[in-house]
Amino acid sequence: AQSVSQHNHHVILSEAASLELGCNYSYGGTVNLFWYVQYPGQHLQLLLKYFSGDPLVKGIKGFEAEFIKSKFSFNLRKPSVQWSDTAEYFCAVTMYSSASKIIFGSGTRLSIRP
Amino acid sequence: DGGITQSPKYLFRKEGQNVTLSCEQNLNHDAMYWYRQDPGQGLRLIYYSQIVNDFQKGDIAEGYSVSREKKESFPLTVTSAQKNPTAFYLCASSIPRAGNTEAFFGQGTRLTVV
Repeated sequence: AQSVSQHNHHVILSEAASLELGCNYSYGGTVNLFWYVQYPGQHLQLLLKYFSGDPLVKGIKGFEAEFIKSKFSFNLRKPSVQWSDTAEYFCAVTMYSSASKIIFGSGTRLSIRP
Repeated sequence: DGGITQSPKYLFRKEGQNVTLSCEQNLNHDAMYWYRQDPGQGLRLIYYSQIVNDFQKGDIAEGYSVSREKKESFPLTVTSAQKNPTAFYLCASSIPRAGNTEAFFGQGTRLTVV
């Protein structure tokens, strides 16, 4: 079965530190990849997405992610985090052959020390 | 405003009772989803529906049932057969075209079974 792995369950950083959250998926075909963010008390919302083309995608609030097909990875990065980035981050994948089914990872809780 | 409405926000039920969670969308999306969110486990797919009168089991469908009689509505029933029903339930919708499956989420319903 298709799956998404996020190996970092809880990450704690100081403001201005660089961030990288890992995401790996298991599926050999064409995929669409997403990062969602859930700020405390708010809806899940889309941070960025990859469908095709340039494997380096940029999202809102200075986040970016790189799709590395050979590694089945889609890691999320930000050069300098802010306290307001405190949230839970979810990686998700859909298979091109079954675009309706969206599989999420277990999430990474990011805590930023002011 | 377009969006997804889940009601109620908090729900309490006695053990052994069935309970139905409401999800309505006015985004004209074909696909709708139900996820369960538990700490440390991310979002796990319960059921999804690609079109009216059609739905598919997700990874944890046991003890749940759904219907999709209208495009706008996708209610989830948590039955007494669900062994651990206390959780946060999220409804989502999307346009399930290959290459464009961004999901939009409701605010969630927190169900507590006592």
